Amino acid sequence: EVQLLESGGGLVQPGGSLRLSCAASGFTFGSYAMSWVRQAPGKGLEWVSSISNTGASTSYADSVKGRFTISRDNSKNTLYVQMDSLTAADTAVYYCAKEPQQWLGPRDYFDYWGQGTLVTVSS
Amino acid sequence: EIVLTQSPGTLSLSPGDTATLSCRASQSVSSSYLAWYQQKPGQAPRLLIYGASSRATGIPDRFSGSGSGTDFTLTISRLEPQDFAVYYCQQYGSSPRSITFGPGTKVEIK
Repeated sequence: EVQLLESGGGLVQPGGSLRLSCAASGFTFGSYAMSWVRQAPGKGLEWVSSISNTGASTSYADSVKGRFTISRDNSKNTLYVQMDSLTAADTAVYYCAKEPQQWLGPRDYFDYWGQGTLVTVSS
Repeated sequence: EIVLTQSPGTLSLSPGDTATLSCRASQSVSSSYLAWYQQKPGQAPRLLIYGASSRATGIPDRFSGSGSGTDFTLTISRLEPQDFAVYYCQQYGSSPRSITFGPGTKVEIK
């Protein structure tokens, strides 16, 4: 059974940093691209970032480019996102999601999702 | 960037009814690279349909997807109580790489 478990969320002040983790199990983690998708309270879904199976390729939404860094450690079956220069607009539940292929594109949909971790940016 | 519009915003139906949800793209979605997700309150989204019409693993055949180009439809036949939720469409596969979601359609009990 595929399981994705996010952690690392919490309350952070504007301008601060946070690193989220996603522990994966139930599949060969190193064979699939992975992504982060977020959802602001009461709002819709927004894709944030993706990384290929080896980590060689990454992609970011314009809203986070230059502030967020996605990475992975295939030896630990774990996905990360380092979030810097956070603003109130980054407040959201952050979901880790698995893609059905190893590289980025074209089949960039999400076949499994974690339960999410809440990031609140507030003073 | 391809913008997705979903209609209606809210659909009020009774169990046993058929739900027809629309997703319209601002430009053609290549190779029908469109997915549908279901999200219940407090839960993560669940993949229902990919490639516009292929059901994901474990999804009952009451759920069906159709469409191409800029117009796509999710049909839910014989609505069951557990089907009342928010449904999102998502496009992928565009070049340069862009992934966008629609704003969602809420299917509520009438």
